[in-house]
Amino acid sequence: DAGVIQSPRHEVTEMGQEVTLRCKPISGHDYLFWYRQTMMRGLELLIYFNNNVPIDDSGMPEDRFSAKMPNASFSTLKIQPSEPRDSAVYFCASSRDRTRFDEQFFGPGTRLTVL
Amino acid sequence: DAKTTQPTSMDCAEGRAANLPCNHSTISGNEYVYWYRQIHSQGPQYIIHGLKNNETNEMASLIITEDRKSSTLILPHATLRDTAVYYCIVRAEQAGTALIFGKGTTLSVSS
Repeated sequence: DAGVIQSPRHEVTEMGQEVTLRCKPISGHDYLFWYRQTMMRGLELLIYFNNNVPIDDSGMPEDRFSAKMPNASFSTLKIQPSEPRDSAVYFCASSRDRTRFDEQFFGPGTRLTVL
Repeated sequence: DAKTTQPTSMDCAEGRAANLPCNHSTISGNEYVYWYRQIHSQGPQYIIHGLKNNETNEMASLIITEDRKSSTLILPHATLRDTAVYYCIVRAEQAGTALIFGKGTTLSVSS
């Protein structure tokens, strides 16, 4: 099993540019999560999906952030326009089903730097 | 979710057992104890969880006291690769809400 795959691993962009982060969850996992980690705020849940449907997006900071899951094997997190305060490590995670909701498998993360 | 208290840091010699404590005195009857860790520059990694019985898997053992107010994660033979921040999280099963990672315990394993 390849685990959760994220791309790119590093992204450097300028303020105002659009950024798209990508995630491939573990095959057969029903839940997909997007987290953001910073030194100041720690690890925060942004949004999660169940069977490709967004369930809780209360952690999405503002309208500049959007997430989609067009199929069971792919999800994107988009920031448009990006701002320097969006600089963070973004993690994608997946879990098998509701009974194992909290056994989450994390990807390696995307380190985003917005200049 | 119940509040947890963990030591800020611990040291362990390579090859020895690492015993990481967690206090959760306000735990409710339906809440589980979960342990995760985060190695530097990597994503968090699920380790183990339990309700009231002791649990063991290929990574670690989890010992929960009879009154369930505290628990200990045991890494039986710590290696340098076990150096990480370890998080104890208490929550109801299938809560469907965000995992809350507190400050955790920074475990440093040295040779």
